[in-house]
Amino acid sequence: NAGVMQNPRHLVRRRGQEARLRCSPMKGHSHVYWYRQLPEEGLKFMVYLQKENIIDESGMPKERFSAEFPKEGPSILRIQQVVRGDSAAYFCASSPAGTSDNEQFFGPGTRLTVL
Amino acid sequence: GNSVTQMEGPVTLSEEAFLTINCTYTATGYPSLFWYVQYPGEGLQLLLKATKADDKGSNKGFEATYRKETTSFHLEKGSVQVSDSAVYFCALSGTGGSYIPTFGRGTSLIVHP
Repeated sequence: NAGVMQNPRHLVRRRGQEARLRCSPMKGHSHVYWYRQLPEEGLKFMVYLQKENIIDESGMPKERFSAEFPKEGPSILRIQQVVRGDSAAYFCASSPAGTSDNEQFFGPGTRLTVL
Repeated sequence: GNSVTQMEGPVTLSEEAFLTINCTYTATGYPSLFWYVQYPGEGLQLLLKATKADDKGSNKGFEATYRKETTSFHLEKGSVQVSDSAVYFCALSGTGGSYIPTFGRGTSLIVHP
């Protein structure tokens, strides 16, 4: 059973470009979480999605950031018009159901560098 | 809201030393508690968990006990190895109908031979 897959592992963008980060959850998991990790700042929740639904996006900036989890295909975190402050590691996690006791299974992350 | 406080790192130890990483929390309701470990260049992976008060989670020589009276979940290991060098995150599950976990800031552990 493959784990959570994220791609690309490393992404370099110039200011003003768009960044698209992809996450394929573990087989059988229908819940996806996105987090951002900055050096020395721990892990910050961004958004929680189920198939075709955004459940909680309270941690995601209101401008330039969007996320989706379509019926078919991976979850996508999209950052438009990137700025240097967007440089970070972005992690996706999945869980098999929405019960809060479930552990989360993390992908290896995408490291975004904005030049 | 819920919060998790971990001791600041880095924690630097010699091989075979005893490890304690402190974690305290505030939460409404009755969360489950977790320790995750992150090795360099990788994502987080679950190390251990406890779902109710007085439960002890254990894995790979690491242990943590869910202490409701002190709202703590300290991570311990009797004899660390160089391969334990990583960042350790304490976390609690969502409460009150929320599915969003709360993570601590992480504690870096460096073990020297």
